[in-house]
Amino acid sequence: KAGVTQTPRYLIKTRGQQVTLSCSPISGHRSVSWYQQTPGQGLQFLFEYFSETQRNKGNFPGRFSGRQFSNSRSEMNVSTLELGDSALYLCASSLEGGALDGYTFGSGTRLTVV
Amino acid sequence: AQSVTQLDSQVPVFEEAPVELRCNYSSSVSVYLFWYVQYPNQGLQLLLKYLSGSTLVKGINGFEAEFNKSQTSFHLRKPSVHISDTAEYFCAVGRTGSGNTGKLIFGQGTTLQVKP
Repeated sequence: KAGVTQTPRYLIKTRGQQVTLSCSPISGHRSVSWYQQTPGQGLQFLFEYFSETQRNKGNFPGRFSGRQFSNSRSEMNVSTLELGDSALYLCASSLEGGALDGYTFGSGTRLTVV
Repeated sequence: AQSVTQLDSQVPVFEEAPVELRCNYSSSVSVYLFWYVQYPNQGLQLLLKYLSGSTLVKGINGFEAEFNKSQTSFHLRKPSVHISDTAEYFCAVGRTGSGNTGKLIFGQGTTLQVKP
């Protein structure tokens, strides 16, 4: 059974640009969550998608957005990149999104903003 | 608001020694508790989880954790560590209900350094 796949693994972008990250969940999983990991703030929840709808959202500015497709694959977009957006972005998939289901994480996308 | 506190940022230990990584959480409602491990340049791997039932939970790689409701703790233990256990460990809390879907609250992490 394939795990959670995130692409690309590494990205370097310039301030002001935008970036799109991709996450393919485990087959049959309908919920995808996104997290930002930085040395200073740790792991922070960005948002969760279920059945192509954003169902839950963390405390991040509107520059951070996402979407989910009918096959449950999800993309995350960050517009007008800032240096502080440099981070490891992790996605996690689960059956229905509840804590009882548990969450399986991908290997992450390392974004560097220069 | 929920919070998770990992009481040690770094834990150095010699190989084959026992180790305990401490985690306290604050919540006024029932929670689900998780421990994840992160190796360098990798994602998070689930070690174990407490959902309900027995307070002693066994996980992968010889790790176990004990849920203590009165002390709101969920400490992770291993009786004998290996060099390969060197990694960062995260304690996390999840809740049920709308507004909590897909969301875990993580502690700041504990770096376990196993020395030969």
